[in-house]
Amino acid sequence: EPEVTQTPSHQVTQMGQEVILRCVPISNHLYFYWYRQILGQKVEFLVSFYNNEISEKSEIFDDQFSVERPDGSNFTLKIRSTKLEDSAMYFCASWDRGTRETQYFGPGTRLLVL
Amino acid sequence: AQKVTQAQTEISVVEKEDVTLDCVYETRDTTYYLFWYKQPPSGELVFLIRRNSFDEQNEISGRYSWNFQKSTSSFNFTITASQVVDSAVYFCALSEAIGANSKLTFGKGITLSVRP
Repeated sequence: EPEVTQTPSHQVTQMGQEVILRCVPISNHLYFYWYRQILGQKVEFLVSFYNNEISEKSEIFDDQFSVERPDGSNFTLKIRSTKLEDSAMYFCASWDRGTRETQYFGPGTRLLVL
Repeated sequence: AQKVTQAQTEISVVEKEDVTLDCVYETRDTTYYLFWYKQPPSGELVFLIRRNSFDEQNEISGRYSWNFQKSTSSFNFTITASQVVDSAVYFCALSEAIGANSKLTFGKGITLSVRP
């Protein structure tokens, strides 16, 4: 069964540094998402992406965040200047036309900002 | 705005007990989709079920069953004869659309511990 992959699985960075989290969605999917989960808390929507542009973004997704689909396979989340509170698990998800049961989630990238 | 409430935060049961995880949702849309996900200690999100708002039939899958009641805006999840491997955090989620604006809104999750 095809799956969403994410790299790296873990990343440690210093406050103020830029990080790029990478995702490879399932190949024929059209809709892409980023969610985050602060340790011990619920999963929160960050942004959805369709047809090479942002469809919707949450209040969390401020100017420090950006997303990109630089080629036909990768989907990236960039945090320009990380803060301590950006420490979380970041999940990428993808969906085809919604005909499948659900968004398929990747295994997550655990980001730790020191 | 959509909202999902999982009032239970932690539940502990002994193996073979039945357990019900509650989920109450709020939405202004007449068409919406409800989901349950399992998050084991390894951290990934495992899809369990999706329910469409126009389909109120309850569903059973092995030891799992789901009770969808539009009248009370609830979508509860029951595990029958629980096993240690069921220990995980369980999230209920809601989506008001399919397609480009189909973000999932999650509840806070219920931590289920099944003791041998």
